[in-house]
Amino acid sequence: EIVLTQSPGTLSLSPGERATLSCRASQSVSSSSLAWYQQKPGQAPRLLIYGVSSRATGIPDRFSGSGSGTDFTLTISRLEPEDFAVYFCQQYGNSPRYSFGQGTKLEIK
Amino acid sequence: EVQLLDSGGDLVQPGGSLRLSCTASGFTFSNYGMTWVRLAPGKGLEWVSTISGDGGSTYYADSVKGRFAISRDNSKNTLYLQMNSLRAEDTAVYYCAKGPVSFDYWGQGTLVTVSS
Repeated sequence: EIVLTQSPGTLSLSPGERATLSCRASQSVSSSSLAWYQQKPGQAPRLLIYGVSSRATGIPDRFSGSGSGTDFTLTISRLEPEDFAVYFCQQYGNSPRYSFGQGTKLEIK
Repeated sequence: EVQLLDSGGDLVQPGGSLRLSCTASGFTFSNYGMTWVRLAPGKGLEWVSTISGDGGSTYYADSVKGRFAISRDNSKNTLYLQMNSLRAEDTAVYYCAKGPVSFDYWGQGTLVTVSS
């Protein structure tokens, strides 16, 4: 079973700063099978990044994804006020078919 | 425009049953696997179940296996989740989502509360 562990649990930053969020897998994840989502209170999750580093439609280029194997990173280059939210990584595999990390809350410092 | 409309959430007693629906529009429904994901209070996203485009393959998280059943009616562009033997820990907002690997579109969510 692949378990995704995100860190930190909470990240406190100011608008304009750079955010680096980590997602570590308990086993190697296929490069086509790692995604990142943003979720705000009362809203559905929004796909940001798929296939480790490809931005979804309409996602600003300040969002980028990287990594391979078991270590993956979501970077937000310059935080905008609307970026403060919870972020989840997600993998697709065989056992279980899908799993999510527990989330990183990005809050305003 | 792709739209997914979740419905069917309600307050139900432990041991009870409920059926959720997700009506899709704006894409060829039968071409895509569909998934249910839930968000419990104070917790993270949890994958619940997935069904292939033709309905021939289904997958379940261990936490719901044997209690929940996913299905679809491609003639009605509708996805279903039949939930039986509900437990307090099934309380969550349930979302349907489109996509075989990552989920590019999501419903707005429907709240299921299991409580006596």
